Amino acid sequence: AQTVTQSQPEMSVQEAETVTLSCTYDTSESNYYLFWYKQPPSRQMILVIRQEAYKQQNATENRFSVNFQKAAKSFSLKISDSQLGDTAMYFCAFATETSGSRLTFGEGTQLTVNP
Amino acid sequence: ETGVTQSPTHLIKTRGQQVTLRCSSQSGHNTVSWYQQALGQGPQFIFQYYREEENGRGNFPPRFSGLQFPNYSSELNVNALELDDSALYLCASSRGQNSYNEQFFGPGTRLTVL
Repeated sequence: AQTVTQSQPEMSVQEAETVTLSCTYDTSESNYYLFWYKQPPSRQMILVIRQEAYKQQNATENRFSVNFQKAAKSFSLKISDSQLGDTAMYFCAFATETSGSRLTFGEGTQLTVNP
Repeated sequence: ETGVTQSPTHLIKTRGQQVTLRCSSQSGHNTVSWYQQALGQGPQFIFQYYREEENGRGNFPPRFSGLQFPNYSSELNVNALELDDSALYLCASSRGQNSYNEQFFGPGTRLTVL
């Protein structure tokens, strides 16, 4: 079975500080893509960052970066210089070569950025 | 470039009724996936359509069915509604069916079954 686990249901951080959201996953496949999606109260799911499993270098998108540990099947998201607009539900997800673009999501982490 | 749109935004139905949700894919996208997101949970994959054919299905009963039209827009139909069908239904489109194709999500339809 392919699963994604996000062990932190809720997190909070002060504005301008750094926060790390955790994610572990399980798949028997060797080729897959990992994603972090953000879902603000408006409900629109927005892609934050993606990582190809065959790439050793961790992906970075401006203030967002990941720590991808393939052997440990861990994929954490670091948000630097947190902003009020980062307040949202964050979902970790992956897609495998055999599942195509079908995404398997975790349960999500509600992040609140406090002023 | 127009993003993914969904209609209606909200819907209230009673148990046993049938419902149709609609999704317009982003321009240039030929693949549409549907997800069910219960309150406080992550989205669950329902099924995917690629070039008008169903191309993968999650663990949902046959009363969940769909269509994709020649313009790649899509419908999700749910028959014999149950209380547990109350959820946010998300549609996502992509340029293809491969794992590297980024999916773009619509704002969702909130379905309440009474």
